[in-house]
This record gives sequence, C-alpha cells and structure tokens, in this order.
Amino acid sequence: DTEVTQTPKHLVMGMTNKKSLKCEQHMGHRAMYWYKQKAKKPPELMFVYSYEKLSINESVPSRFSPECPNSSLLNLHLHALQPEDSALYLCASSQVLAGDSGDTQYFGPGTRLTVL
Amino acid sequence: AQKVTQAQTEISVVEKEDVTLDCVYETRDTTYYLFWYKQPPSGELVFLIRRNSFDEQNEISGRYSWNFQKSTSSFNFTITASQVVDSAVYFCALSENNNAGKSTFGDGTTLTVKP
Repeated sequence: DTEVTQTPKHLVMGMTNKKSLKCEQHMGHRAMYWYKQKAKKPPELMFVYSYEKLSINESVPSRFSPECPNSSLLNLHLHALQPEDSALYLCASSQVLAGDSGDTQYFGPGTRLTVL
Repeated sequence: AQKVTQAQTEISVVEKEDVTLDCVYETRDTTYYLFWYKQPPSGELVFLIRRNSFDEQNEISGRYSWNFQKSTSSFNFTITASQVVDSAVYFCALSENNNAGKSTFGDGTTLTVKP
C-alpha cells in the first residue's frame, strides 16, 4: 500500500483565517514532505521532516507552520495567508531521507487552497 | 547545483503513436538519483521510476520504457502505443546523494493524447 492521504481536498480561506492541512501515511515511512505547486509549474519543496524532526525549511514564510505530531502524521498550519499563497499543497513521504531506493517519494492527492 | 531541463513544454499525439519525453540533467555529484512522475488532472503525482547513477540499464515496464545515458546526461521516457489515459503532465526529477531530501524537478511536459 503506497497511499498518502490529505485532507481537506479543497480549502477556501480569508486572509485573517487560521486553518490546517493534514497529511497521513501508514507505510512506516520516516520522512515526510510539504510541497507547494502553482498552476503549470513543478512542485516547490517547503519543508522536510525526518524521524519527526524538521530537517529542511526552504526559507518558507512564518505564516506557514509545519508540525509532525507522530511518524504517520504531518500538519501544515496556515495563518494570515496572502492571495498569492493560493496553490495546490502536496504532501509526500519516503521510507527514509536518502539511500538505496528508500528515498522514493510517494505523493498524496493534494489540497487545493484558495486564499481570498 | 542540480538542474533538470525538460525542453518539451507540450506534446500532442494521436492515440497509438509512440512518444518520447526528454529529460536532461546537471549535477556535480557522482551519486544521484533520477525519477519520473506522472501528474494527471486530478493533481496527485504518481511515481513511475527511480534510477541511480550507477545503473545505466534501460528499463521497460509494459508500454513504458526509459533510456538513461550518463554520457549525455539524459534520462528519456518513451510511451509506446499511447492511450488517452496517458494524457498528463510528466515530471523528471533529480536528487543528489549530498543533498538528501531535496529533489529538483523539471518544469514538466504536458502530454495530450487524442483519440
């Protein structure tokens, strides 16, 4: 089973709202990722967690706050977003961060976020 | 610095035609990994293949085949007898051993297969 689930599928929020995106995997993977993807562009890496610790933060604005409560869950807390933050937010997981074939990332279906 | 170039922005073919998607990469690392992903309109990136830099064997999986050539830094993807369900955006990606966790994606090639 190579399934990564993400909720919600769609989210519309105002600039003053606080919301959270949720990602879950039950493959025993120990690395989890958040990507942002604008229309007709490739995914851009935002954060990487390895063994529940933040490993990579690609200079993402503080209005995006990641959280990894356990090895299966990854959240992205959103606060005071801007309309330009509207995008598809993709979660991915891999067995480990690097090495052999364990670094293959499996993606969820994404959350389509619209900021009004 | 790692870089992936997919020069073909859009390709349109008629069903049953063969089509090749090009991917050229740049890296200074001697150990690296190359990937292809498919992104249908639904949005989810679907993993297709992973290749490490020490394995230049070509691979075939059903109608899909991949040609990895280190001499030209290319990792091309061919779909034989294309089908309408192959319509999607295809991304080539590169991950360096010394930059674990950071994959660089090409800009993607949008493939449209017409019936």
